[in-house]
Amino acid sequence: TQLLEQSPQFLSIQEGENLTVYCNSSSVFSSLQWYRQEPGEGPVLLVTVVTGGEVKKLKRLTFQFGDARKDSSLHITAAQPGDTGLYLCAGDANTGNQFYFGTGTSLTVIP
Amino acid sequence: GAGVSQSPRYKVAKRGQDVALRCDPISGHVSLFWYQQALGQGPEFLTYFQNEAQLDKSGLPSDRFFAERPEGSVSTLKIQRTQQEDSAVYLCASSSLIGQPQHFGDGTRLSIL
Repeated sequence: TQLLEQSPQFLSIQEGENLTVYCNSSSVFSSLQWYRQEPGEGPVLLVTVVTGGEVKKLKRLTFQFGDARKDSSLHITAAQPGDTGLYLCAGDANTGNQFYFGTGTSLTVIP
Repeated sequence: GAGVSQSPRYKVAKRGQDVALRCDPISGHVSLFWYQQALGQGPEFLTYFQNEAQLDKSGLPSDRFFAERPEGSVSTLKIQRTQQEDSAVYLCASSSLIGQPQHFGDGTRLSIL
């Protein structure tokens, strides 16, 4: 069961464009994390958000946690080819030991 | 290195064979997770260990899947009588405590012919 739905599933943009990836759920999460995964490698943690309404910035990446802690977004400014990868949101829904991953957004940035 | 190490990186097996996948977590990490990932999709939870105790195995798809972590460090995921639908990347992750950020290995890509 995947509690976290991501949109869009696929995104192909030109270098320099901006984009936003969404992560939505009907469940409340105590914290939410964003990962980036490249082919043949495991996911690498980008950021953790824990407070409703929290905004975190990591260079050109801006992460926001919804006020109700049910959704999150990742905004990339001036995308670069090095941003290409599979972006995953993930969280702890306080339902036990399970850690839920989103459905993933595959981003391709064309030079 | 000091990261999570998984072996083998690739495994090809014939349908019906048994396979064993190994995970060496980061030293001292209490929590260990196994995930199954289909191509282009997010990882799906399989099982969770806290030290040597398997606290959650609700994600294991069938009784052909078995995981252990006998000394609270290295873990093995075993799949018996493999089937084609078992083909996937199997990821292992560890964290210092439950709820703390997880560090992932590069996975084992399993192909069942």
